[in-house]
Amino acid sequence: GQNIDQPTEMTATEGAIVQINCTYQTSGFNGLFWYQQHAGEAPTFLSYNVLDGLEEKGRFSSFLSRSKGYSYLLLKELQMKDSASYLCASPGGSQGNLIFGKGTKLSVKP
Amino acid sequence: DADVTQTPRNRITKTGKRIMLECSQTKGHDRMYWYRQDPGLGLRLIYYSFDVKDINKGEISDGYSVSRQAQAKFSLSLESAIPNQTALYFCATSEGTAYEQYFGPGTRLTVT
Repeated sequence: GQNIDQPTEMTATEGAIVQINCTYQTSGFNGLFWYQQHAGEAPTFLSYNVLDGLEEKGRFSSFLSRSKGYSYLLLKELQMKDSASYLCASPGGSQGNLIFGKGTKLSVKP
Repeated sequence: DADVTQTPRNRITKTGKRIMLECSQTKGHDRMYWYRQDPGLGLRLIYYSFDVKDINKGEISDGYSVSRQAQAKFSLSLESAIPNQTALYFCATSEGTAYEQYFGPGTRLTVT
């Protein structure tokens, strides 16, 4: 079946580094997406990994290990505006539709 | 102007009423989706459409119907609203399966 797991909540301090993990079990793996969603707003695309390894994009990096069914999102130099939910998703549904994890709510404290 | 728009943004309706949520996009994408989001349950797919003549049920289609009036327009209807359909509804578009999805701003629906 298809399943994506990520922690429900995390707390971190402004200026620090935080790693948000995601494990997945999807049939016919076709990449792993990360989205950011501020409360009451639309999800916005952060990253897409299809090959193993780390991809860096400014303060945000995303890592994928296909053999372990594992990904993480790394946020550096945390800012208050990074307080949001982070959604992990993979095209493992019917006809390749995205299956979303339930999201990790990150709270950044001063 | 936003690439994906939804109307209305907020709606309060009573049990048993029919309601339509509308979505328009200017991205030129063939694929469009309707999701609902509930606290603790994440985003769940209601219906999706790969083109005007191709409409498919998602994970939780019971109690909903859709219409793809044109490539750019995809509407979601609740024929007889019930309180457990109270949720945040998002429309999204994409270029293909393994491509990022672009989400509309959402419609907050409350059924009393």
